[in-house]
Amino acid sequence: DTGVSQNPRHKITKRGQNVTFRCDPISEHNRLYWYRQTLGQGPEFLTYFQNEAQLEKSRLLSDRFSAERPKGSFSTLEIQRTEQGDSAMYLCASSSQGGHTDTQYFGPGTRLTVL
Amino acid sequence: GQQVMQIPQYQHVQEGEDFTTYCNSSTTLSNIQWYKQRPGGHPVFLIQLVKSGEVKKQKRLTFQFGEAKKNSSLHITATQTTDVGTYFCAGGGATNKLIFGTGTLLAVQP
Repeated sequence: DTGVSQNPRHKITKRGQNVTFRCDPISEHNRLYWYRQTLGQGPEFLTYFQNEAQLEKSRLLSDRFSAERPKGSFSTLEIQRTEQGDSAMYLCASSSQGGHTDTQYFGPGTRLTVL
Repeated sequence: GQQVMQIPQYQHVQEGEDFTTYCNSSTTLSNIQWYKQRPGGHPVFLIQLVKSGEVKKQKRLTFQFGEAKKNSSLHITATQTTDVGTYFCAGGGATNKLIFGTGTLLAVQP
């Protein structure tokens, strides 16, 4: 399968614990995005990388959230001191740089439940 | 900030009926993308529109981008049960992030 993959698919954690998610983009894609989606809503942009550079971060991304893409390939999203409000589906997408025609392809997501 | 609204929020149709969802942005978009998300699934890319007034067709699906590049629509002719899901528009602006609409959930009764 050459699509976007995410691990784990599900994560249940207790409030206050740290969690880390991984995203492996489509291999030739140099852009990688993280979104968060809650039930009944559309995905909300969190941050994006072009190669290893983090170019934009949403105000939704509090200081408890950090994302990395150290070698310009896979990316990790860490949430520290999780809160119940962090419960959501975390989606990763990737695209290849093409001006404004930046079609994003989504992975299956990691569903986080904070108890 | 930029907002993208969709109407209706929910549509229930009989199989064979047509369906349309409308998308409106508070700002001019550089492009608009449409995604379909099945229950429990992730957004799957359908199409991208870039030019003002552009119309594209995919079998029974017709997509339009408004002249002012602030609105768009998706029309499905003769719905089938396989069309069930939530349809999202997503606007691309000055940066590469997508601003997703609120989505329209389509239910199709056989």
